[in-house]
Formats: sequence, C-alpha cells, structure tokens
Amino acid sequence: AQSVTQLGSHVSVSEGALVLLRCNYSSSVPPYLFWYVQYPNQGLQLLLKYTTGATLVKGINGFEAEFKKSETSFHLTKPSAHMSDAAEYFCAVSDNYGQNFVFGPGTRLSVLP
Amino acid sequence: DAMVIQNPRYQVTQFGKPVTLSCSQTLNHNVMYWYQQKSSQAPKLLFHYYDKDFNNEADTPDNFQSRRPNTSFCFLDIRSPGLGDAAMYLCATSRDLNLRETQYFGPGTRLLVL
Repeated sequence: AQSVTQLGSHVSVSEGALVLLRCNYSSSVPPYLFWYVQYPNQGLQLLLKYTTGATLVKGINGFEAEFKKSETSFHLTKPSAHMSDAAEYFCAVSDNYGQNFVFGPGTRLSVLP
Repeated sequence: DAMVIQNPRYQVTQFGKPVTLSCSQTLNHNVMYWYQQKSSQAPKLLFHYYDKDFNNEADTPDNFQSRRPNTSFCFLDIRSPGLGDAAMYLCATSRDLNLRETQYFGPGTRLLVL
C-alpha cells in the first residue's frame, strides 16, 4: 500500500526566498508521484507529476520536484517565492497502474512580504 | 473552456435532511470522482465512476451514495447528513483510470449541516 508524509504542516517563507516543501512516500512498487496546489475555497490543480523517465520534473508556476528513489522523496522547490504562491500544497502517490492513489496531509505555504 | 462545474458552491442543510450535490463536466472524461475534504485535511476519495461502473471505497459510509445518469453529470447524495459530514466536497474527472492522466478538479461545494 502507498502512503505519503509531508514534513511541516505550515511553512513560511519571505517573498523572493527559496521554497522547499518536503514529501516522502512509501510504496511497495514503483510509484507515480504528484504535487497539487489548492488555493482558498478552490479545487486542486496539478502542479507536476512523475511517472517514468527524467527524475527532475518541471511544473507550472516555476515549481519543480526531484524523484529520489534512494531517499523515497519527492520534494517540491521554487527558487523565488511570490505572494501568489501562498496556498495549500498536497503531495500524492499512486502505484504504477494508477491505483491506490493517496494524498499526503498537506502543507500550508505562507509568503511574507 | 472545458471544465468541471460544481453547484452550488455552498450548501446548507439540516441534520438528517437528505441533500444532493451536483457535478458536471465538459471534458467528456470517462472517470468521475467524489472526494470529501474536512478542514485542514487532505481530500479523501469516497467513490468513483468509470463510465457506468460504480466503485465504492471500502471505508465510505453507506450514508453516501452517487448517481451518474450520463457522461456529463454525477451526483453525490447524502441520505441523512450528520454534523460530521460538514466538509468541502470535491468532484474530479480523468480521461482514464490510469493516473498518468491528470485529474481535473472542480471548485468544490462546501456543505454546512445545522
């Protein structure tokens, strides 16, 4: 079975600073990995996903994530935070048949002026 | 624009009074999902339809049911809402069950139970 942990339920960064949101997963089979963003009172939007191939994945809004199998991690980064990045971020994992899709508990990102 | 639409955005119901939430999509996707999201928690999958085939998650209470009369529409019925059912309900679609395909989410319906 798949599971996801996200270290830090709330992360604060200053505008222009590096954003690092941590995600570690557990999977008995090669995983598919996802990052979603949720703005207040809205649905979820896919930021990026890893299925196979290149382990560094680039997404929308300047975000990227790197799949590190040895560390069972899929951390999300952005070089320079913008005020509009303030939102809830969810890491998710599924098996490589697209089954057993599980969200992590989420990390709320605050961006300080 | 093709999208996932949920109506209403906010729904107030009374304890024990049946309520229906609706979702429609213009993407012509095969799969439609219903998630429950409680405050400060991750979305939890309740069930999904692959075309007309209904798939219930093992821990979804019997109080929650769903209907999909056609490709475009899917309904979530809560037969006897309790206070613990107050949450955001998210509808999502995907072209196929293989989650290489992106899930597209609607804006959600926030349910309040009085």
